[in-house]
Amino acid sequence: KNEVEQSPQNLTAQEGEFITINCSYSVGISALHWLQQHPGGGIVSLFMLSSGKKKHGRLIATINIQEKHSSLHITASHPRDSAVYICAVASGAGSYQLTFGKGTKLSVIP
Amino acid sequence: EADIYQTPRYLVIGTGKKITLECSQTMGHDKMYWYQQDPGMELHLIHYSYGVNSTEKGDLSSESTVSRIRTEHFPLTLESARPSHTSQYLCASSEAGFPPQHFGDGTRLSIL
Repeated sequence: KNEVEQSPQNLTAQEGEFITINCSYSVGISALHWLQQHPGGGIVSLFMLSSGKKKHGRLIATINIQEKHSSLHITASHPRDSAVYICAVASGAGSYQLTFGKGTKLSVIP
Repeated sequence: EADIYQTPRYLVIGTGKKITLECSQTMGHDKMYWYQQDPGMELHLIHYSYGVNSTEKGDLSSESTVSRIRTEHFPLTLESARPSHTSQYLCASSEAGFPPQHFGDGTRLSIL
């Protein structure tokens, strides 16, 4: 079973700061998913990637398959970015199984 | 905007009651999932379905049951609620060949 570790667990930043959230996993994967969970509980998919880098607006996700590591970056952070960011990994082609990290709680202060 | 809907969003109810949590999606996805999440903890898969009349149990043992009579609808039922069932329940769906992609807003369930 894959183990997914995220760091940091909690992160407080000033508005405008560059933010990095890290995710490490123990077993080879077919894809890695970054999710955003708002205080109300709903989850939004941010990225799904299996190699390289993806960018969407101020969010950038990278993955290093050899090192079993992914990072989520937020440029020019804003209070509306405050949420829990969750890393999840899928093992096996077409696998329905996602193993989730515990999440990183981000608070961006004006 | 979410194309997967869960109701109710919040439910506080007494022990012993029968509860059904609703989940519907409008995307025509065959694959649907139920997850349980305790505060500050990771999501755990409790049920999944690959299509109509297909349901399987997930990694986390749960006393709940599910049904899949229509593609768009995947309700979860607790026959007799207990305080240990207090948690958040999240529904998700995905296209064939993909892991869960779309999540609902969740149901926060509190059993007194």
